[in-house]
Amino acid sequence: DAMVIQNPRYQVTQFGKPVTLSCSQTLNHNVMYWYQQKSSQAPKLLFHYYDKDFNNEADTPDNFQSRRPNTSFCFLDIRSPGLGDAAMYLCATSRAVQGGGAKNIQYFGAGTRLSVL
Amino acid sequence: DQQVKQNSPSLSVQEGRISILNCDYTNSMFDYFLWYKKYPAEGPTFLISISSIKDKNEDGRFTVFLNKSAKHLSLHIVPSQPGDSAVYFCAAGGDSWGKLQFGAGTQVVVTP
Repeated sequence: DAMVIQNPRYQVTQFGKPVTLSCSQTLNHNVMYWYQQKSSQAPKLLFHYYDKDFNNEADTPDNFQSRRPNTSFCFLDIRSPGLGDAAMYLCATSRAVQGGGAKNIQYFGAGTRLSVL
Repeated sequence: DQQVKQNSPSLSVQEGRISILNCDYTNSMFDYFLWYKKYPAEGPTFLISISSIKDKNEDGRFTVFLNKSAKHLSLHIVPSQPGDSAVYFCAAGGDSWGKLQFGAGTQVVVTP
């Protein structure tokens, strides 16, 4: 089945120790998104790739970086995790179509829960 | 600034009855809206959507209503089933990137 896969499902890191979360997709979608979700809050978009073009949200801290080496894979790098970065990180994909409106459905992975000690 | 709000964090409903979930938004540029459903330990899955040119969209037991003048949409689930117990997220989009703004979710519990 085509899907969005996130690894690992649970990640524990130490304060200040760089960590990388990964996402892969078999949907061949052109757009990939990274969200941060804290408990009982809305998922917050960090950035997205439209094909190879990287688009950062204005309020995403510099501590968060992303790489998309090819269509299928996207990585979230947290350079120096702080306690406030402990959250669920969700990856999503879509086949965004210009003017596609409601056709721009996003498909999500199961998420990686990050703990910072 | 939260542009999409779900003011009810939880909803409890009896099996067989109607579940009504509400969502309000502030940005008049949004032109499509989606509902996602999330089970524990899984990612959100798409449920139903509506374009701003419509005021209703129906898919089986799920119906979404849009009131643009009030900037309000709702999701009706009829009849509610135990398997509907999940967190429901409202989302809104309006740009060609496919970016979405999400609400904080409503936890629905369907009791026998």
